[in-house]
Amino acid sequence: DTGVSQNPRHKITKRGQNVTFRCDPISEHNRLYWYRQTLGQGPEFLTYFQNEAQLEKSRLLSDRFSAERPKGSFSTLEIQRTEQGDSAMYLCASSPQIMNTEAFFGQGTRLTVV
Amino acid sequence: GEDVEQSLFLSVREGDSSVINCTYTDSSSTYLYWYKQEPGAGLQLLTYIFSNMDMKQDQRLTVLLNKKDKHLSLRIADTQTGDSAIYFCAETYASGGSYIPTFGRGTSLIVHP
Repeated sequence: DTGVSQNPRHKITKRGQNVTFRCDPISEHNRLYWYRQTLGQGPEFLTYFQNEAQLEKSRLLSDRFSAERPKGSFSTLEIQRTEQGDSAMYLCASSPQIMNTEAFFGQGTRLTVV
Repeated sequence: GEDVEQSLFLSVREGDSSVINCTYTDSSSTYLYWYKQEPGAGLQLLTYIFSNMDMKQDQRLTVLLNKKDKHLSLRIADTQTGDSAIYFCAETYASGGSYIPTFGRGTSLIVHP
């Protein structure tokens, strides 16, 4: 296992289309995070899973966004009816279930909505 | 709430020391982190400090924590051109027994010859 894997690396979509991103965390990492990063900003927290349970959602996660982690392993983030403002880098991170260890990040999926 | 502030840019000459500063708001943060992001890449953890520590040294990196002022700094000794990147300070806030990292906007470090 070489780290957190995200697919695709890049996605260009037309406004109004739906997109889905996948994240494969490091094996046996119970915690999984999704962040969004726009140009000149730090990563903004979107949502957090502990195993298959989605325990925390940011106000940034509008009704058009949904995330799942059905078996407690990989996770998907879907954006419905994409808008130009959704263009960003979507980062996934995972960490083991030990008190307060660092999150390991994937390379991200860059979304461009045209 | 959680808020992390950093200056946006720092320019240094190769071989000098760099000091990147950060302030945070959540006094309950138990760990504070420094991440590095190179262009087109994800975030890489550089170092972290536990909140009951004042200082941590790791090779060329020195982290100083002033918990009273909620101020964190990262010093890079003998800065090299390969250190040019964006550096993010992160604190963690507790949610339902877990800890969620919250990031600043990042400091762009530019190292010139």
